[in-house]
Amino acid sequence: GAVVSQHPSWVICKSGTSVKIECRSLDFQATTMFWYRQFPKQSLMLMATSNEGSKATYEQGVEKDKFLINHASLTLSTLTVTSAHPEDSSFYICSVPNLRDDTIYFGEGSWLTVV
Amino acid sequence: SQQGEEDPQALSIQEGENATMNCSYKTSINNLQWYRQNSGRGLVHLILIRSNEREKHSGRLRVTLDTSKKSSSLLITASRAADTASYFCATDAWDGNKLVFGAGTILRVKS
Repeated sequence: GAVVSQHPSWVICKSGTSVKIECRSLDFQATTMFWYRQFPKQSLMLMATSNEGSKATYEQGVEKDKFLINHASLTLSTLTVTSAHPEDSSFYICSVPNLRDDTIYFGEGSWLTVV
Repeated sequence: SQQGEEDPQALSIQEGENATMNCSYKTSINNLQWYRQNSGRGLVHLILIRSNEREKHSGRLRVTLDTSKKSSSLLITASRAADTASYFCATDAWDGNKLVFGAGTILRVKS
C-alpha cells in the first residue's frame, strides 16, 4: 500500500484563489519532507524543504510568500499555492525520506489547473 | 537546479528486449537512485546505489555506478509492455535527502 498519501490528486481553481495540498507520511514519522514541481514533459524540480517545527527552506527562485509550507506534525506537510495564476498549473509532488532504510518515498502527486 | 542528464530522452523497444538508460551528474553524491513514473502519476522507487558501490541488481533491474565518470546506467532485462513509463535518476548530495533529478528517459515497450 501507499507509504505517502497526497491529497487532492486533482484540483481546478480560479485565478486569484488559494489551493492547499496535503502530504501525509502513513508509515513513519518525518521531520523533513520535500516539495517538487513538475511541468508537463519535464523533470522534477525541488521547490522547498519542509521542516517540522521550523520554517521551510526554499530553493532559489521559489517565492516563499506564494508557496506557503506548513509542517504541522511529524506526519503532515501542506503546500498552499496562494493567489494562483495559470502559470502555476503543474504537477506538485512531495517526498518523504525514511531514515531507517534510506529510501525516499513519493506521494502520488497533485495536478493543479488554474483557470 | 537540475544537474542530471539522461540519455536517451526516449527509447522504443520490442517486448523481450533489454532497455538501457544512462544518467550523468555533475557533483559529488552520497547515493544515486532510480525512479519510475507512469504518465501523470507519482514516482516509484526502483533501486538505490551508494557511492561506494559499483553495481546492484534487483529482479530484472541492473544498475551500475561509475563515480569517476559521474555516470550511472539502468538496465531492464526482458522488458514487458508494463515497463512503459518514464525513468529518472536522482542524486542526493551529502547535505541530506534533497534529490536532484535527471531529465528522464521515456521508455516505450511495444508488445
